[in-house]
Parts: sequence; structure tokens; C-alpha cells
Amino acid sequence: AQKITQTQPGMFVQEKEAVTLDCTYDTSDQSYGLFWYKQPSSGEMIFLIYQGSYDEQNATEGRYSLNFQKARKSANLVISASQLGDSAMYFCAMRSNNAGNMLTFGGGTRLMVKP
Amino acid sequence: GAVVSQHPSWVICKSGTSVKIECRSLDFQATTMFWYRQFPKQSLMLMATSNEGSKATYEQGVEKDKFLINHASLTLSTLTVTSAHPEDSSFYICSARAPRTGPQETQYFGPGTRLLVL
Repeated sequence: AQKITQTQPGMFVQEKEAVTLDCTYDTSDQSYGLFWYKQPSSGEMIFLIYQGSYDEQNATEGRYSLNFQKARKSANLVISASQLGDSAMYFCAMRSNNAGNMLTFGGGTRLMVKP
Repeated sequence: GAVVSQHPSWVICKSGTSVKIECRSLDFQATTMFWYRQFPKQSLMLMATSNEGSKATYEQGVEKDKFLINHASLTLSTLTVTSAHPEDSSFYICSARAPRTGPQETQYFGPGTRLLVL
């Protein structure tokens, strides 16, 4: 069974500062993918970034980067230069390549950016 | 990126009625679609996996007779909440699995449907 844990239910960050959202996972699979999604109040799920379990380099997408520490089974999301529009729920998710490609989601972190 | 639509975006209905939610992949064919339910301030919970041309696979605890899923074509899956009750009020989100073009296989999410049962 897979499990995703996001230990921060809510976080504040000052505008223009960087923030790290934590995500740890538990799986016995060797091949898997890790995703981060943003969910604003409108409800849509917006894909942010992906990290494969065999990727040696940390993924980056614009202001988003993923701090992947495989031995610790953590995949923290770093958002640099926070903007007011970054205020939203953020979900970490894992896809097992051996489990029908389903996504398992963490409980989410609500990020609030202060002006 | 690929586009997935859901219709309707909002539904308010009386207890006992059935509600159908459509999920469409607009610019790609999706052999697999997923249905999630999200209660307020909670995470997404997978309800079922919908495969084109075959029966859906339901997660443990999800009543298949309550939540009917039909995946009649490569671009359309429907979720019907039968005899809806107030406890079925939730945010329902579908996602469609895009054809794999590399290591990253992405599920594209629809905008969601908010169901309120009175």
C-alpha cells in the first residue's frame, strides 16, 4: 500500500519569499512518480511538477522545484519568490507504476501568501 | 496541455433524485478515466477507475450501485449518483489519462462538479 503524508495543514509565507511544502511517502515499489498539484478555491487541479523515482536530478519548473530525497522518501515542493496568486491548497501525489497508474494523494497543505 | 471538461459544474438537487456528471477529454483519447470525490477541506479520494469498454473498478467502500460509471467512448465517462442523499454532497472531480509520451504520464483533471443535495 502507498501512503502520502503532508504534515503541514496550513502555512503562511510573506510575498516574495521562498517556501517549502513538505511531503513524505511510503511505498515498496521501485518505480514510481511523484507529483505536486495546486488547487485554488475554484477547485481545479493544476499540475505543477513531476519527479520520477529514477531521476537523478531534482525537477524544476519555473518558480517550482522539487527537493527529492529518495533515501528519506521525501519530495518537498519549493516555491521561490511567492506571489499572492500562489495562495491555494497544494497536494502531493504518488503514482505507482505497478498499481494501474492510480494517483494517491496526500492530505494537502493550505498556503497563504501575505502581502 | 490536454483539456478535460466536466458538466455540469454545479448541481443542486432534491434528495432521492439521480444526477449524471459527464467527463470529456476534448483533444485526446482516454482509455482510462478516474473519478474522485473531495469533501470540504479534505484531500481527493479515488472512487473508481473507468476503462473504456469495460466495467469500472471501484475502490473499497464505494458502492457501485450508488455510483454508476459508464465509459462508453474514448472521450466520455459518466458518473451517475443514484438516489442522491445529503451525505452525497461533495465535489466530484474526474481525470483522464493522456497517452504516454515519456516517463511522465500525466492525468489531466477536469474542473470538478459541485453537488449539493437538499
